[in-house]
This record gives sequence, structure tokens and C-alpha cells, in this order.
Amino acid sequence: GNSVTQMEGPVTLSEEAFLTINCTYTATGYPSLFWYVQYPGEGLQLLLKATKADDKGSNKGFEATYRKETTSFHLEKGSVQVSDSAVYFCALSGSNTDKLIFGTGTRLQVFP
Amino acid sequence: DAGITQSPRYKITETGRQVTLMCHQTWSHSYMFWYRQDLGHGLRLIYYSAAADITDKGEVPDGYVVSRSKTENFPLTLESATRSQTSVYFCASSRQASTNNSPLHFGNGTRLTVT
Repeated sequence: GNSVTQMEGPVTLSEEAFLTINCTYTATGYPSLFWYVQYPGEGLQLLLKATKADDKGSNKGFEATYRKETTSFHLEKGSVQVSDSAVYFCALSGSNTDKLIFGTGTRLQVFP
Repeated sequence: DAGITQSPRYKITETGRQVTLMCHQTWSHSYMFWYRQDLGHGLRLIYYSAAADITDKGEVPDGYVVSRSKTENFPLTLESATRSQTSVYFCASSRQASTNNSPLHFGNGTRLTVT
């Protein structure tokens, strides 16, 4: 079945460091891929998405490219800020279902 | 205020008791969802609803009951709470069935502890 695998956290970085959070997926057909972010004490909110191979989603300085050949959707940001500290969830929506399937989440901690 | 609200934010209950978590949205979204968030599991879908009076099971429905008599409300009931149901519960809504075109909007969650 469909599944999403994320790197385990926490990821601890200094401000202005480069961020990569790995995400790989298993799915039949052509899923859509998403990154959601959860700030402390809040619900999840959509960060970015990509609906077909080679698409790049971007928002707030974050970006991720849908790589079908490696079944990956890694999240990157060139220079993180303390305010980026949150839990990041990779998710997919399969071609045979509209229900989102989430990864386990990766906690990012950014220190000044 | 417009949005999706969950209540209560925190709840402690005893094993065997019935407890209901409330979810209310003001967008008139057709679709509503209940997820639970557990360390090591991420978010898992409990139940969802495509419209008033239409509900369906998700990945982990056992021990839970939902209803959707009005579009804006989607309560989740634990009929006889167990310790394994200690979790953070999130309600979400979306305008369309396809998550490609309509992102999920989440509430701030209810932290439930079953003692």
C-alpha cells in the first residue's frame, strides 16, 4: 500500500544553516506530494505541494522537488530561522484515494 | 471567528468512561476528518465525512464513533476509553474531496489522557 517515510528527528541547526529533511514514498500510480508544518501548540498547515513528477513546490523559502525516479520529495531551505522550529510532515495523496497519508513527522529545532 | 475549533484543548478521563471531542468549522466545508497523532506513528486517520449524514472509517476506527448531523460539526466519541487512546486528536476540514485542489485545514488539537 501507499506509505511515506521521513528521516527521524530531531534535526538541530543553527540559524542561517542549510536544511534538508528527507522524505521518500511508496505508492501506486502517480500520487500528489505535500509538506505540512506544525508549529508548537497548533494544528498542521499546508506548507507546499507538488502534483506531478519534476514539479517543485515552494513557500516561505522552503522548496521540494517531486522526484519520481528516486520516489523522493525532500524538503530544503537555504537559511533557516528560529521561527522555522516546528514539526514537518511529509504526506501523499494517492491516485486511488483522496485521503492523505502522513509520515511520522520530523522535528526541527533552530537555535540562534 | 472563522475557522475550525476543537474543544476541549485538554481532557483527562478514566478508563471505561465515554468522552466526546468536539469539532466545529465555519467554512461550510463538505469534508471533515479526525486524526490521532502519536509518537512514532505520525497522523492516522480515524474517521472522515464527505457531507452531513455521510461518514466512513479511516485507518484506525476501532473504539470510536462519529456523527455528522450538521455540516459544521463533527464530534468524535470514545465509547469506553482505553489507555491506548491517550493521544492528541486533530480535526480537519477541506472544501473538496481531492486534496490536490483543496488543502486540509486543521484545528489546534485536543490532548486526551486516559488514566
